[in-house]
Amino acid sequence: AQSVTQPDIHITVSEGASLELRCNYSYGATPYLFWYVQSPGQGLQLLLKYFSGDTLVQGIKGFEAEFKRSQSSFNLRKPSVHWSDAAEYFCAVPGGNEKLTFGTGTRLTIIP
Amino acid sequence: DSGVTQTPKHLITATGQRVTLRCSPRSGDLSVYWYQQSLDQGLQFLIQYYNGEERAKGNILERFSAQQFPDLHSELNLSSLELGDSALYFCASSLQGGSPDTQYFGPGTRLTVL
Repeated sequence: AQSVTQPDIHITVSEGASLELRCNYSYGATPYLFWYVQSPGQGLQLLLKYFSGDTLVQGIKGFEAEFKRSQSSFNLRKPSVHWSDAAEYFCAVPGGNEKLTFGTGTRLTIIP
Repeated sequence: DSGVTQTPKHLITATGQRVTLRCSPRSGDLSVYWYQQSLDQGLQFLIQYYNGEERAKGNILERFSAQQFPDLHSELNLSSLELGDSALYFCASSLQGGSPDTQYFGPGTRLTVL
């Protein structure tokens, strides 16, 4: 079954520093991949998605992600984080029957 | 704002009770999904409806049921509630419900069972 793994449960980054959140996928064919963000007490917001084509995907709020087939990865990056980026980030992949299978999430803390 | 609405935002009830969660999909979306988010299980897919018909079932308990109405809004019914049913319940919608298709999530309903 298709799955994603987010190896980092919690990451702390200083405001203004760069960020990379890891996501590894297990998928038979070319995967469709998503990153969602959940701010405290909020729902899930789509940051970006990869379906095909250019392996560097731009999303909202200054985020980007790069699909690397050789590493089975779809890592999320941001060059300079803001305090408002503190949230939980989820990588997801279609898990069959059109449902989404989510990773366990990475909680991002921003320190001033 | 994703365009998906869910009511109520919070729900507090007692064990053994029954509740109904409501979801309105984005305009034009035909498919509705329900997910449960809990601390121990993470985000789990419950059930999907497409244009009024059940399309896929996930880890949904027999005490839970759902339906999608002709106007495409959906309801998730949870009965004989247990403490362990306390969770955040999300609804998502997508245009067609196939793959690939992008799911847009509502703000969720937080259910607390006392």
